[in-house]
Amino acid sequence: DAGITQSPRHKVTETGTPVTLRCHQTENHRYMYWYRQDPGHGLRLIHYSYGVKDTDKGEVSDGYSVSRSKTEDFLLTLESATSSQTSVYFCAISAPATGLHGYTFGSGTRLTVV
Amino acid sequence: RKEVEQDPGPFNVPEGATVAFNCTYSNSASQSFFWYRQDCRKEPKLLMSVYSSGNEDGRFTAQLNRASQYISLLIRDSKLSDSATYLCVVNAMDSSYKLIFGSGTRLLVRP
Repeated sequence: DAGITQSPRHKVTETGTPVTLRCHQTENHRYMYWYRQDPGHGLRLIHYSYGVKDTDKGEVSDGYSVSRSKTEDFLLTLESATSSQTSVYFCAISAPATGLHGYTFGSGTRLTVV
Repeated sequence: RKEVEQDPGPFNVPEGATVAFNCTYSNSASQSFFWYRQDCRKEPKLLMSVYSSGNEDGRFTAQLNRASQYISLLIRDSKLSDSATYLCVVNAMDSSYKLIFGSGTRLLVRP
C-alpha cells in the first residue's frame, strides 16, 4: 500500500478551539487532498494542494485552512472548531495523472467537536 | 443536481446472488471513472477503474455508457465479504485532477 498516514486517528475537542490534522506521505506525490465524509453527503472536498505552497479551495472550505510547506506533509486546520465540523476527515494522494490511478486514502481522522 | 448520483440502497442479497449497481454523472466531459469500495469505518479503496470498452476483474464487471452518462458495477456470486459501500467516482475535468464521489451504495450479503 502507498505510504500515507493521518494523525491523530481520533480527536475530541471543544467548540471554539483550533485543531490541526496532519497528513503525511512517503510517495513523493504532487497532489494531496482533504475530504470530509458525513452521512448523506458522501465525500466532499475541503482543500487540495498541487505542490509545495500551492493550495486551492474545494467545495466546503469555509472554516478550514491548509498549509503545505513540504511535499510530504499537508496540514488541515480548523480555525475555530464548531459542532458542524464533527466528521470523518480523509486525506488522499494521487500521482499527477488521476485518470490512470485514482487516489490512495489515509485511514482517516474521526473528529468530534463538543 | 448532484454531479454523481447513486442509489443509496441498501441492497440486501443472499450469498451467491448477482447484484448490479448503477450511477449517473452530470459532466459529459469526464474522462476517468472508478469504483471504490468502503468498509464500515474504513477509508475508501480503489476497486477498479472503468474503461469505455468495459472491463472485468474476477467476479466484478464494470461498464460505461458515455451517451447516457452512466456507469455500472456487476458483482457475480456474491460473498459475505463483499458487504460494503460502493462509491462511484468520476474526475472533475479541471486542473485539480480532483475526483467527484457519489454518496455510495450499500451492499449487504447475507448467509
